[in-house]
Amino acid sequence: DTAVSQTPKYLVTQMGNDKSIKCEQNLGHDTMYWYKQDSKKFLKIMFSYNNKELIINETVPNRFSPKSPDKAHLNLHINSLELGDSAVYFCASSHSDGVQYFGPGTRLTVT
Amino acid sequence: GQNIDQPTEMTATEGAIVQINCTYQTSGFNGLFWYQQHAGEAPTFLSYNVLDGLEEKGRFSSFLSRSKGYSYLLLKELQMKDSASYLCAVKHDYKLSFGAGTTVTVRA
Repeated sequence: DTAVSQTPKYLVTQMGNDKSIKCEQNLGHDTMYWYKQDSKKFLKIMFSYNNKELIINETVPNRFSPKSPDKAHLNLHINSLELGDSAVYFCASSHSDGVQYFGPGTRLTVT
Repeated sequence: GQNIDQPTEMTATEGAIVQINCTYQTSGFNGLFWYQQHAGEAPTFLSYNVLDGLEEKGRFSSFLSRSKGYSYLLLKELQMKDSASYLCAVKHDYKLSFGAGTTVTVRA
């Protein structure tokens, strides 16, 4: 199936741990994004990569580090997890300025 | 900063029409998007306006007035499966800024 996929779907971990979330798209898009959706359902952009180059880096703690090994993949590594990092993280992709298509989300719970 | 406002909740009856308004003030404007998000799922694209006027797509229509910083999403012939959150998003500076979403509940 053509889509944006993310792994894992659920992630439960303790404070202080380091974790990664992976994203892949097979839509042939050149731009990929990471969003955070908090408990109030507010969806906020974190990062965006265009052709493996970082183009958007919002005010995000530097414990969060995105990595794009190629145009089809954008991973998110989080160091020293905190309680406030608990949220749903969505990956999305698009053709440059086009419609963004979202992955299924990764529900991160930090205990 | 960016400001995108939409009502928090709306309730309507099956078969009825509901209009969700969105007003925005952003640093730039390259288009306005509407997404639907069911509980526990990803946002899915519904419609896109870049010029003033009405875009119709089956039961869903979206309107844009750039001079007023205003858009609405019109849902016609409501069905139970339309119960979801509807997100207004403005494209500017190479990114999307989202409103907080409007939760629509369709009652039988």
